[in-house]
Amino acid sequence: EAQVTQNPRYLITVTGKKLTVTCSQNMNHEYMSWYRQDPGLGLRQIYYSMNVEVTDKGDVPEGYKVSRKEKRNFPLILESPSPNQTSLYFCASSLRDRRTEAFFGQGTRLTVV
Amino acid sequence: GENVEQHPSTLSVQEGDSAVIKCTYSDSASNYFPWYKQELGKRPQLIIDIRSNVGEKKDQRIAVTLNKTAKHFSLHITETQPEDSAVYFCAAITGGGNKLTFGTGTQLKVEL
Repeated sequence: EAQVTQNPRYLITVTGKKLTVTCSQNMNHEYMSWYRQDPGLGLRQIYYSMNVEVTDKGDVPEGYKVSRKEKRNFPLILESPSPNQTSLYFCASSLRDRRTEAFFGQGTRLTVV
Repeated sequence: GENVEQHPSTLSVQEGDSAVIKCTYSDSASNYFPWYKQELGKRPQLIIDIRSNVGEKKDQRIAVTLNKTAKHFSLHITETQPEDSAVYFCAAITGGGNKLTFGTGTQLKVEL
């Protein structure tokens, strides 16, 4: 089954404790991205990757890091989480041609206390 | 930077009525405009999209129109049903084709 898988689904952590949210897709998609969803703000792009070892900042990259060492995986790293990073996070993937459907993971609800 | 504005933020309609959600975009180079539906607690999923070389696209009860001159596009849902209740996001390709920028979403509620 074609899918994008994120882990964990839910995470509560404390300020400053490094964490990683994993994202994996099995559709051989070149393009992957991370979004955060906050009430009234919609989906805002954090980082995206056009292919292996190619990443770039989205609209809200501060406080986040990513890596793309393999085509299927695109982890999101929070080196020192802060409460303003409490949000719902989605990973998405699509073909190289951006004018195609983006497939989303099931989301990760992160709470930083 | 490029942005996509979406209105209204909430919309209530009676079952069977039509619903219209409108979006405007700023990047004149945008050439792809998808619409995503997000049910409560679920992930966003594509319901319809339109490319800049057409003005309208229809899929059963759902249609999207695009006005490139005015830089706005709209989602039309006819004969609404309770299962249409969800948050709808418009989006546009921006950043030279590298980014998909979303609107802020519309909470649609279809009342019996």
